[in-house]
Amino acid sequence: EAGVAQSPRYKIIEKRQSVAFWCNPISGHATLYWYQQILGQGPKLLIQFQNNGVVDDSQLPKDRFSAERLKGVDSTLKIQPAKLEDSAVYLCASSTRWQGLNEQFFGPGTRLTVL
Amino acid sequence: GQQLNQSPQSMFIQEGEDVSMNCTSSSIFNTWLWYKQEPGEGPVLLIALYKAGELTSNGRLTAQFGITRKDSFLNISASIPSDVGIYFCAGMNYGGSQGNLIFGKGTKLSVKP
Repeated sequence: EAGVAQSPRYKIIEKRQSVAFWCNPISGHATLYWYQQILGQGPKLLIQFQNNGVVDDSQLPKDRFSAERLKGVDSTLKIQPAKLEDSAVYLCASSTRWQGLNEQFFGPGTRLTVL
Repeated sequence: GQQLNQSPQSMFIQEGEDVSMNCTSSSIFNTWLWYKQEPGEGPVLLIALYKAGELTSNGRLTAQFGITRKDSFLNISASIPSDVGIYFCAGMNYGGSQGNLIFGKGTKLSVKP
């Protein structure tokens, strides 16, 4: 079974530029998560989708971050404009559903460096 | 918001030694999970704990869910070089509308052959 796919793996941009990350979850997984992992810390949830609807985006900085999952499968996370403090690894995860005890499977992440 | 305190921050051990790390929270969780993350990869689930007092093993790994529901520990017995990585605890309160994971800051494990 293929795992969670993410691209690109690495991205370097200047501050105030825009950037987008792509995630393709495990086939059949209804729930998709985006996490931000700053160096030396654990992942922090940014947004959670159930199919193509948002379940929780309470920790998403909505003035600059946006995410969509239009067809309920793959998803994109965008930052516009980027700040220095956005430098982090952005992890995508998926699970079969969002309620109950469902294991989240993580992708390899996209490492973003903002200069 | 909820925060998890994970200790130690890092450990340098000799191959064959046992390892112990723990995680404490200011609030209760009804699920504790332990993940391992290797460089360039996402976290991988090692053990999940669902009941206060529960002790669960996965090979050389053993984890316990604290009675107070505010803490958990992970032990690794007879460490080997491939145990190297960052170990994260995570708490979750499932049920209702959300089941968000709250992660600790991780324990970085180095094993000397």
